[in-house]
Amino acid sequence: AQRVTQPEKLLSVFKGAPVELKCNYSYSGSPELFWYVQYSRQRLQLLLRHISRESIKGFTADLNKGETSFHLKKPFAQEEDSAMYYCALRLGGRREKLTFGTGTRLTIIP
Amino acid sequence: NAGVTQTPKFQVLKTGQSMTLQCAQDMNHEYMSWYRQDPGMGLRLIHYSVGAGITDQGEVPNGYNVSRSTTEDFPLRLLSAAPSQTSVYFCASSSGAGGLNEQFFGPGTRLTVL
Repeated sequence: AQRVTQPEKLLSVFKGAPVELKCNYSYSGSPELFWYVQYSRQRLQLLLRHISRESIKGFTADLNKGETSFHLKKPFAQEEDSAMYYCALRLGGRREKLTFGTGTRLTIIP
Repeated sequence: NAGVTQTPKFQVLKTGQSMTLQCAQDMNHEYMSWYRQDPGMGLRLIHYSVGAGITDQGEVPNGYNVSRSTTEDFPLRLLSAAPSQTSVYFCASSSGAGGLNEQFFGPGTRLTVL
């Protein structure tokens, strides 16, 4: 069965420092990977998807099939980045089902 | 568009009571899902639907029922509430069209079972 692992429950980073939130997955096929974010008092929303290869709010994530990882990175952290981040995997062709990791709460220290 | 709406926002139940969590979307999305969010466990899929009249079980379906009589609505029923069902419940929908599918989430319902 597919699995998503986010090894860090909590991560604190100083403002201006680089950020890396780790995500590893296990799935033998071709996965679709996503990062979702939940800011305080807001609903869960999509941040990034690996298919788009885009940068959103300064964040990027590269799918590494060899290491089965999809780490989220940002070179310079900002206070507004403080939030809960979830990595999610959707099996190819079964778009309605997402498997989420346990989440990482990121706190940016001013 | 209101997007995905959920009611109620908060609910307290006694063990054994039943209730229905409401979810509606106005984006004409085919796919709808229910997740529960628990500390240290992330979001886990309870039930999902790929269209009106079609539902299927997710990862943690026990104790919950769903139906999908219309495209817009996807209610979640707790048959006999238990303290283990204390959680935050999220409904989500997606269009199912194309490879850049995105799930849109509702604001959540915080349920406490005493």
